[in-house]
Amino acid sequence: QKEVEQNSGPLSVPEGAIASLNCTYSDRGSQSFFWYRQYSGKSPELIMFIYSNGDKEDGRFTAQLNKASQYVSLLIRDSQPSDSATYLCAVANQAGTALIFGKGTTLSVSS
Amino acid sequence: EPEVTQTPSHQVTQMGQEVILRCVPISNHLYFYWYRQILGQKVEFLVSFYNNEISEKSEIFDDQFSVERPDGSNFTLKIRSTKLEDSAMYFCASSEVGRAGELFFGEGSRLTVL
Repeated sequence: QKEVEQNSGPLSVPEGAIASLNCTYSDRGSQSFFWYRQYSGKSPELIMFIYSNGDKEDGRFTAQLNKASQYVSLLIRDSQPSDSATYLCAVANQAGTALIFGKGTTLSVSS
Repeated sequence: EPEVTQTPSHQVTQMGQEVILRCVPISNHLYFYWYRQILGQKVEFLVSFYNNEISEKSEIFDDQFSVERPDGSNFTLKIRSTKLEDSAMYFCASSEVGRAGELFFGEGSRLTVL
């Protein structure tokens, strides 16, 4: 059974701080990794994807991937109250035909 | 901005009844998906669909479920005989060719089975 594990939180950070969200996955053959944001009562929204080991930056967001450790993380710099949401880590199956989601980490940014 | 649209937004049905959830994917997307999320739980993959056939399905997607693309724009999920445990938010998603994990989700259809 392929698993994606996340700490459910809540993770609480003050406005302007860096939020660090972590995810581990069980399928060593996975090649594609995604972070989605889900506001309460809304659908998931893609914010980052990463396919290669290392860091990938997009604005205030940085995704980090370490395939050897089967670990993916998302850093949010200068956190804003509007970043308060549940962040879902997702890993594609090897065929690329399905995403396996983690349970998500709830982030709360206080002003 | 193009978006995935889903109808109905909320459906209440009696156990054992058939339900059809409808989706209009983004027009130039060729991969279509259904996911579901039981309240308070994780998003779960049901089925993916490409070139008028199922690409992948999960263990959840048993014989009670079916998908269809009846015309050039709609993509439907049918549950033949609903159970209480089918109560969930059902999300349709679509993606471009070559970008299979970069999903655009619809707003969801909440199904309540009584």
